[in-house]
Amino acid sequence: SAVISQKPSRDICQRGTSLTIQCQVDSQVTMMFWYRQQPGQSLTLIATANQGSEATYESGFVIDKFPISRPNLTFSTLTVSNMSPEDSSIYLCSVPDPSSYEQYFGPGTRLTVT
Amino acid sequence: GDSVTQMEGPVTLSEEAFLTINCTYTATGYPSLFWYVQYPGEGLQLLLKATKADDKGSNKGFEATYRKETTSFHLEKGSVQVSDSAVYFCALRLPSNDYKLSFGAGTTVTVRA
Repeated sequence: SAVISQKPSRDICQRGTSLTIQCQVDSQVTMMFWYRQQPGQSLTLIATANQGSEATYESGFVIDKFPISRPNLTFSTLTVSNMSPEDSSIYLCSVPDPSSYEQYFGPGTRLTVT
Repeated sequence: GDSVTQMEGPVTLSEEAFLTINCTYTATGYPSLFWYVQYPGEGLQLLLKATKADDKGSNKGFEATYRKETTSFHLEKGSVQVSDSAVYFCALRLPSNDYKLSFGAGTTVTVRA
């Protein structure tokens, strides 16, 4: 299994500012995913963070709003840019285990935009 | 595209009651199916899974059977406890989909003593 940590665990930010969320995994992984969980809703995939190449974004999400870095096989960052109250969500990173079909999730970053 | 439809909540039960949360899916191909649980204040964790038709996943007294004929993966537990209070998410993954998960809306379950 993989152990995933995220920083910060929560933050309150003002509209128009940006926040960078860090995700650290205790082992090397090829793929990392970033999900968003808006209040009272399910998880929606934002993008796949690929090491050594640009992230792959899902429909409705763009690089200018959610730039992602993946400098190595254990670390990734997601930036939420030019925030608005609609960006208030829990942001989670996850990594898959190809051998077991299981996907491990980080504890999440709870973001509130005022 | 692939999607998951999950029974809406919230669901409130008494201890030792029987719990069922319905989950149906739409997918091209043969997905793997999962139930994830999110306990209050905690992260998302895998509860059980099934990777092919007629497989039964089980864990912590919960069970779900992969029914291809009805495209369903209903979650059941015969006798719930207060500690089962959580949000439950049904999810699927297509083998061709690079391990990305599609989640249902989630069902909030509250068990009262």
